[in-house]
Amino acid sequence: SQTIHQWPATLVQPVGSPLSLECTVEGTSNPNLYWYRQAAGRGLQLLFYSVGIGQISSEVPQNLSASRPQDRQFILSSKKLLLSDSGFYLCASQTGMNTEAFFGQGTRLTVV
Amino acid sequence: GEDVEQSLFLSVREGDSSVINCTYTDSSSTYLYWYKQEPGAGLQLLTYIFSNMDMKQDQRLTVLLNKKDKHLSLRIADTQTGDSAIYFCAAPPGSASKIIFGSGTRLSIRP
Repeated sequence: SQTIHQWPATLVQPVGSPLSLECTVEGTSNPNLYWYRQAAGRGLQLLFYSVGIGQISSEVPQNLSASRPQDRQFILSSKKLLLSDSGFYLCASQTGMNTEAFFGQGTRLTVV
Repeated sequence: GEDVEQSLFLSVREGDSSVINCTYTDSSSTYLYWYKQEPGAGLQLLTYIFSNMDMKQDQRLTVLLNKKDKHLSLRIADTQTGDSAIYFCAAPPGSASKIIFGSGTRLSIRP
């Protein structure tokens, strides 16, 4: 099975500061990679997904961007954080369609 | 586009059965999944069902699928305090790469 590493686990950042969250995957190759955000008490919102290196699809217009510089590395970034960017960010990996998605343990981001 | 809907909250008494429901719109899903999220953690796969099955039982868990109505349910028998969590259903579309989850159902257990 796959292992998803996300860091940091928690992060407190001031408004207007940059952001970089990293996700790496072990145990597979050429996975589909996903970034989700979960606001407090809410469901999962798909932010970005990637089917290969350099291929990023954005699901919602927002203050964030994603990049996939290597096959098993997915990065979520922002140049200037907003208060509304606070939330729990989850990275997921899936190999092939219609298969199980594996999740990292998440990063709790608080923008102050 | 694809849509997956769930009720937001469910409260059951310890020892009773819990039934969590989900409806989806994309009928091309080959597998449908139930995930469990404990507080402050990521999602863990709980169980899944192949789309040509009506029912799957796994110990205390029973998954029912009504493909005609696009309705999926998860039944937890003899609900315990350790079952307190948010439960998400997912119906990955067969023709696309992205996975859409329901809003999650928060299951709380009362004594």
